[in-house]
Amino acid sequence: GAVVSQHPSWVICKSGTSVKIECRSLDFQATTMFWYRQFPKQSLMLMATSNEGSKATYEQGVEKDKFLINHASLTLSTLTVTSAHPEDSSFYICSANFPPSYEQYFGPGTRLTVT
Amino acid sequence: GQQLNQSPQSMFIQEGEDVSMNCTSSSIFNTWLWYKQDPGEGPVLLIALYKAGELTSNGRLTAQFGITRKDSFLNISASIPSDVGIYFCAGDDKIIFGKGTRLHILP
Repeated sequence: GAVVSQHPSWVICKSGTSVKIECRSLDFQATTMFWYRQFPKQSLMLMATSNEGSKATYEQGVEKDKFLINHASLTLSTLTVTSAHPEDSSFYICSANFPPSYEQYFGPGTRLTVT
Repeated sequence: GQQLNQSPQSMFIQEGEDVSMNCTSSSIFNTWLWYKQDPGEGPVLLIALYKAGELTSNGRLTAQFGITRKDSFLNISASIPSDVGIYFCAGDDKIIFGKGTRLHILP
């Protein structure tokens, strides 16, 4: 149990375009999902907390207008990187909280490359 | 804010050796979580700890929640090649991650 999927697993896009990444909890309902980014050889940095049916909570320094998060259902959260630039190239990972514990289960990640 | 210090940053060991890594925080945590991340993949939860002093095993892995609630350690016994990866500690409901311990196994 507690499987989280992400789509796509990798994407290459041109500078200025937008990219949507999906995160799904496959066998449980997640009221809370988290979005992280990870640069090479670095730890995971929390970008935002996504709560079903409400606005996402963004960490300090993360532009909410650039990284649009939608958590429309208990099994799906999406992250849209708008007007992507090369510096947005990174590994984006989502996770879903497995209620009622604090345990988080992670998706396999999405490698974004902006050319 | 809360900070997590993970050590060592990297380890080079021989196959079959035991491994020990730890994590300390600047403040008290109510939860300690240990994850392993393989290259190009998302982290996988190894062990979750919820009570000070708790000692929990998962196969060859053993983790403990420190009595002070400011530290935790993870031990791996009899390491094998598939143990290679990055191990992260994380704490509390708004997950804060350590910088990871990179485990390398020498042939």
